[in-house]
Amino acid sequence: GESVGLHLPTLSVQEGDNSIINCAYSNSASDYFIWYKQESGKGPQFIIDIRSNMDKRQGQRVTVLLNKTVKHLSLQIAATQPGDSAVYFCAENRNTGFQKLVFGTGTRLLVSP
Amino acid sequence: DTAVSQTPKYLVTQMGNDKSIKCEQNLGHDTMYWYKQDSKKFLKIMFSYNNKELIINETVPNRFSPKSPDKAHLNLHINSLELGDSAVYFCASSQGVEGGNGYTFGSGTRLTVV
Repeated sequence: GESVGLHLPTLSVQEGDNSIINCAYSNSASDYFIWYKQESGKGPQFIIDIRSNMDKRQGQRVTVLLNKTVKHLSLQIAATQPGDSAVYFCAENRNTGFQKLVFGTGTRLLVSP
Repeated sequence: DTAVSQTPKYLVTQMGNDKSIKCEQNLGHDTMYWYKQDSKKFLKIMFSYNNKELIINETVPNRFSPKSPDKAHLNLHINSLELGDSAVYFCASSQGVEGGNGYTFGSGTRLTVV
């Protein structure tokens, strides 16, 4: 399933499915992008990052794709598990002399057993 | 051995009161931040300090005053609390002020103003 991160939408998938969470960023000068996972009652937790000179980066079960032409970022989670249920945020690092992390609106992922 | 720790975790207070939230990081990072997360989960930067110096102030009301006694601590004092200040406040830290280095977040302080 796919979702666009506007107004905290919800993406519901079955355990074992692949999940795709999309994000549009706003600043073409942003040089670094991070995906965070936030579970209930906790702070954002780093998942994976990508620099602007790359278009794909893979981690364990997660892949981030960056399309600078259309300012789009996606997070792919393979074989989604119930423990992946959380709110996912993309964030762009704006480097204007001092770095500043600007978050997208987030997408809630619900994984059913 | 928590990397970024905030206290208290929960804070309930009346309008008009003054309160403080404390943050400490043991990562040796140079830069610390305060973020506010509203009821719709939107996370927005408020302040950034580098080696005890304020470097980002995102047009936050003057009632909010960050204080950094040393680079491992960044506290947030709020005067004359208002209902709209109710939110979850996150402290974070990162190494360096330039380029994309990873950020580490605390577990948040849920502030409820009644």
